[in-house]
Amino acid sequence: GAGVSQSPSNKVTEKGKDVELRCDPISGHTALYWYRQSLGQGLEFLIYFQGNSAPDKSGLPSDRFSAERTGGSVSTLTIQRTQQEDSAVYLCASSLLGTGEEEGYTFGSGTRLTVV
Amino acid sequence: TQLLEQSPQFLSIQEGENLTVYCNSSSVFSSLQWYRQEPGEGPVLLVTVVTGGEVKKLKRLTFQFGDARKDSSLHITAAQPGDTGLYLCAGGRGNNRLAFGKGNQVVVIP
Repeated sequence: GAGVSQSPSNKVTEKGKDVELRCDPISGHTALYWYRQSLGQGLEFLIYFQGNSAPDKSGLPSDRFSAERTGGSVSTLTIQRTQQEDSAVYLCASSLLGTGEEEGYTFGSGTRLTVV
Repeated sequence: TQLLEQSPQFLSIQEGENLTVYCNSSSVFSSLQWYRQEPGEGPVLLVTVVTGGEVKKLKRLTFQFGDARKDSSLHITAAQPGDTGLYLCAGGRGNNRLAFGKGNQVVVIP
């Protein structure tokens, strides 16, 4: 696709429910990143996928969070038993070569998650 | 603890004025990037700097990377309402992810 696509753009869920957030990166981009942006906070790294390598999950805040990337393309971030502190904008980004520190990221528009 | 501190957090200026915002850290970075984010959108990459002391210009925007690669500044000349947005700096340390600051919210009043 022309850009990074995220869905849904907005999600309101009840506390305790599970949610799935989807990211469709730019075609051919080998690296995919998930970040979380909370009000008044910087972007918080969650997880990084690079090609067929094992993902770097070191930023996931708890075992309620998981992510997968199927076929080296689409990624899904799953949050189980959502809590109010999970409310944030979840941003997905991709980069062509996986050298995002030099080539930069292309971000999607994000999913705004509200847990009530 | 925030790895990258951005200041000022909020800046409001009149159209045509100049402004400078800052991104500081006690850590050394292999690269530093600036992004602009508008409401409801993801950040958009403006520039990447990789060499200490490097200066890059993008139309009315001038970016500088500190000699020690620990800090950066963004200067906007003759600001326009279209420059309004949240400016985010992000540093790379060779671990395949960027560390972001909280941002500088810039408002340019027509």
